[in-house]
Amino acid sequence: KAGVTQTPRYLIKTRGQQVTLSCSPISGHRSVSWYQQTPGQGLQFLFEYFSETQRNKGNFPGRFSGRQFSNSRSEMNVSTLELGDSALYLCASTYRQSRGHNEQFFGPGTRLTVL
Amino acid sequence: SQKIEQNSEALNIQEGKTATLTCNYTNYSPAYLQWYRQDPGRGPVFLLLIRENEKEKRKERLKVTFDTTLKQSLFHITASQPADSATYLCALDRFDTGRRALTFGSGTRLQVQP
Repeated sequence: KAGVTQTPRYLIKTRGQQVTLSCSPISGHRSVSWYQQTPGQGLQFLFEYFSETQRNKGNFPGRFSGRQFSNSRSEMNVSTLELGDSALYLCASTYRQSRGHNEQFFGPGTRLTVL
Repeated sequence: SQKIEQNSEALNIQEGKTATLTCNYTNYSPAYLQWYRQDPGRGPVFLLLIRENEKEKRKERLKVTFDTTLKQSLFHITASQPADSATYLCALDRFDTGRRALTFGSGTRLQVQP
């Protein structure tokens, strides 16, 4: 079974631009979560999508948004980029049982650099 | 406020010794606690999960303990090898107002010297 894939792997943007990152979950997984990882803040939860609906959201500004398609693929968008948005953006998928454990399968991440 | 703490300093040990990593939390009531391994430039990889009503879980050379009274989990790697060198993250899995949330600690870097 193929793992979680993320594209692109590396991205360089300038302040004020916007960016869209893509994530394809493991086949059969319906939940996709996005995380931001920086040296200072560690791994921080952005949002989770399940069946095309945002189910949970972290404490990030509205510039960060996402969506999920009917095939469970997900995209996240960051508008009006700031220098502080430079980070590794990780996508994780899970089968998502309502009360069962929530083991996350992570992709390799997209390294975003904002200049 | 809610907080998850892992030792931010790197842990250096000799090959063959047991590595013990700590995860402390405050103001959480996790249903599960998970441990992940992360290598540089890669996404975290799931290692072990322990439930709130379990004291200990083992998998090969790995052992996790979970003390909900102390609000602490210990992660042990026995007979450590240089290939075990990585950053190890703990994550709390809880239900907030009916919504699931997985919150990660900042990780502890383990360096196993040959």
